[in-house]
Amino acid sequence: GAGVSQTPSNKVTEKGKYVELRCDPISGHTALYWYRQSLGQGPEFLIYFQGTGAADDSGLPNDRFFAVRPEGSVSTLKIQRTERGDSAVYLCASSLASGGSYEQYFGPGTRLTVT
Amino acid sequence: KQEVTQIPAALSVPEGENLVLNCSFTDSAIYNLQWFRQDPGKGLTSLLLIQSSQREQTSGRLNASLDKSSGRSTLYIAASQPGDSATYLCALSETGANNLFFGTGTRLTVIP
Repeated sequence: GAGVSQTPSNKVTEKGKYVELRCDPISGHTALYWYRQSLGQGPEFLIYFQGTGAADDSGLPNDRFFAVRPEGSVSTLKIQRTERGDSAVYLCASSLASGGSYEQYFGPGTRLTVT
Repeated sequence: KQEVTQIPAALSVPEGENLVLNCSFTDSAIYNLQWFRQDPGKGLTSLLLIQSSQREQTSGRLNASLDKSSGRSTLYIAASQPGDSATYLCALSETGANNLFFGTGTRLTVIP
């Protein structure tokens, strides 16, 4: 079946602008995760959804970052007043359910460049 | 806070060699550990997942081991091929948490 998809694949924006990044998880997966990967680093956790609710948003760096998953499927990561330091690859993952025993499947990522 | 380290950061080997990639972590209260492969500009592909109660997992030419007491995992790749060239990341989940903690990766180049 189809894997995790993310759109757009690349996004270039000017400093101060607002951006939205979209994630379509694997059908039937109830858990959804957002990670951010800076150049030369491993991915860092941002936020995790179980169903429609954000179960853990402890990784969001500040209040400019927000994510929603209104119907328990597609999720949107929203970044306000973008800064050059927000430039990174934003990865989305989904798993059948929450909990460490469930494997996370990753999308191809959205490369965000803030100029 | 959990810290995951991968050494070396980069490794080059001639085709056909067997090799070992290393991953170490500071907090042994882990639930499972995964090894991922990442190709340039691509997402992550899961290779192997080891539950905390297991010592190793095998898939084809890949074998991953886990030693919780020493805070180490290794990924063994047998008979390396140029197509194995990629960045290899280890990641672990902690007991009671759902997110993954990633290492910084080892960039592997297999020379034909």
